[in-house]
Amino acid sequence: AQSVTQPDIHITVSEGASLELRCNYSYGATPYLFWYVQSPGQGLQLLLKYFSGDTLVQGIKGFEAEFKRSQSSFNLRKPSVHWSDAAEYFCAVVFYNQGGKLIFGQGTELSVKP
Amino acid sequence: DGGITQSPKYLFRKEGQNVTLSCEQNLNHDAMYWYRQDPGQGLRLIYYSQIVNDFQKGDIAEGYSVSREKKESFPLTVTSAQKNPTAFYLCASSKRSTSARTDTQYFGPGTRLTVL
Repeated sequence: AQSVTQPDIHITVSEGASLELRCNYSYGATPYLFWYVQSPGQGLQLLLKYFSGDTLVQGIKGFEAEFKRSQSSFNLRKPSVHWSDAAEYFCAVVFYNQGGKLIFGQGTELSVKP
Repeated sequence: DGGITQSPKYLFRKEGQNVTLSCEQNLNHDAMYWYRQDPGQGLRLIYYSQIVNDFQKGDIAEGYSVSREKKESFPLTVTSAQKNPTAFYLCASSKRSTSARTDTQYFGPGTRLTVL
């Protein structure tokens, strides 16, 4: 079955440090890839997406992600984390010809130390 | 402002009762979705609708029902047959969703349902 894996359930980084959140997806047809962020008790906000073209995509709030087809990965990065980045981050994939069904990873909770 | 609204934000239900969660969008999107979120399990698709008067079961449809009589509205009913309904429910919409392509899904603020 098609799936998305976020290997890190919880990550803690210091404010100002760099961040990388990992996302791997199972092999399938052409993937459309997304990263969403969720603050406690809130809905999901789209950070960035990859449909085609340049494999390094820029998103909101200074985030970027790189699609690596050979590794089936779409890792999220930020060069300098701010305390307001503390939240839960979800990677999601839609495969071509799958009716637009988003498949979510389990999420990575990010804590930021002062 | 365009967006997706869900109401109520918090909902309490006694066991054995049906309850309906509201989802409305004014984005003129064709497709709408319902997800359930439990701690540590990410989001799971309950039902989705690609067009008015049509909808399909997602991965965990048992114990839930939906309707899509209007483009803007996609209410979800949690029936008494749902064995563990306490969860956070999220509605989403996208411009279109066909077998060949997809558009970005945008999410509402969610409804937290607690069964007492």
